[in-house]
Amino acid sequence: DVKVTQSSRYLVKRTGEKVFLECVQDMDHENMFWYRQDPGLGLRLIYFSYDVKMKEKGDIPEGYSVSREKKERFSLILESASTNQTSMYLCASRNPTDTQYFGPGTRLTVL
Amino acid sequence: RKEVEQDPGPFNVPEGATVAFNCTYSNSASQSFFWYRQDCRKEPKLLMSVYSSGNEDGRFTAQLNRASQYISLLIRDSKLSDSATYLCVVYHGGGSYIPTFGRGTSLIVHP
Repeated sequence: DVKVTQSSRYLVKRTGEKVFLECVQDMDHENMFWYRQDPGLGLRLIYFSYDVKMKEKGDIPEGYSVSREKKERFSLILESASTNQTSMYLCASRNPTDTQYFGPGTRLTVL
Repeated sequence: RKEVEQDPGPFNVPEGATVAFNCTYSNSASQSFFWYRQDCRKEPKLLMSVYSSGNEDGRFTAQLNRASQYISLLIRDSKLSDSATYLCVVYHGGGSYIPTFGRGTSLIVHP
């Protein structure tokens, strides 16, 4: 079974704080992704990485950065959290011949 | 025009009913198709792949119509536990890493 884990299920931060969300997959997948999901807007791609140390912007990268130093780990960083970044954050991984598998999500609230 | 479109619903059906959802896609070069299920406040989980020849898994049947550019999901003998949001996912091929997600169709099965 594919397993994707995320560092926190729930997180509460204050405006201006630096926030780290971590994602780990145990299936040696090449590609990893960060999405946010908001009611009525569906899944929106923030960043993705098709290999170690490689990263590409998705549809809404502003206010975020990522790091992929090891194949199994993909981190999302909010440099200075803002209230409009309150959302559900979902990490996913896949190999090119397969589809995406998601982690359980982190529900982030920025006060 | 959105690349992948779904009727958001909700579809409200009694237990035991048969219900079908469609999902239309705009890119004729799309190559791979999947249905995911997402429960409230949880991550999307792969339900089934969609093959050109159709795909059946118990009470669930997925079909692809390339000529009209849509995929469908049929659920027979609906259970209360089928209540969820169903997302269609399309990969465009050509080495694309990024799938396009529909915004989902909400299903509510009532007693």
